[in-house]
Amino acid sequence: NAGVIQTPRHKVTGKGQEATLWCEPISGHSAVFWYRQTIVQGLEFLTYFRNQAPIDDSGMPKERFSAQMPNQSHSTLKIQSTQPQDSAVYLCASSSDWGSYEQYFGPGTRLTVL
Amino acid sequence: SQLAEENSWALSVHEGESVTVNCSYKTSITALQWYRQKSGKGPAQLILIRSNEREKRNGRLRATLDTSSQSSSLSITATRCEDTAVYFCATYRGSALGRLHFGAGTQLIVIP
Repeated sequence: NAGVIQTPRHKVTGKGQEATLWCEPISGHSAVFWYRQTIVQGLEFLTYFRNQAPIDDSGMPKERFSAQMPNQSHSTLKIQSTQPQDSAVYLCASSSDWGSYEQYFGPGTRLTVL
Repeated sequence: SQLAEENSWALSVHEGESVTVNCSYKTSITALQWYRQKSGKGPAQLILIRSNEREKRNGRLRATLDTSSQSSSLSITATRCEDTAVYFCATYRGSALGRLHFGAGTQLIVIP
């Protein structure tokens, strides 16, 4: 089991450019979560999917952030017109079902917006 | 305000010593989890303690839960350099799953 896979591990974009982050959850897991981590804000929830359906996007900045899960094997987080304040580590996690409390995290993608 | 919060920003101990990280939470819970995050990695669960449990052990780790005071602790005995990490407590709101609410984390440094 390779665990949750996130690509790329590091991404540098210029202000105003688009960034797409990829996550491959653990095979068989039904839920996928996106979090953002910064020194100042800590771990912030962004959004999650269950069985590919969006369930809660209450943490997503509405204007430039979007997330999709086109199939059970991957999810994407897209940030349009990136801003320096978007610089963070973006973490993806997956969990198996409603009865499982544990979330399994990937290593994260470090996004730097210049 | 956060649903779960650790009580210390940072702790340092010498290798071989014991250390305790404390956490308080603000909601009814079905379980509380402790996660560890090493540099360059995502958080990984260490212990899950359910609301009907008072203590849970995992090797050198021991977690306690006091639902009356809404607090938990994670103790590490015989610390090793590889225990250097950030430790988070985390919980769900009530019994609902979905998003995990993490504390700000406690940075533990184990000095050789």
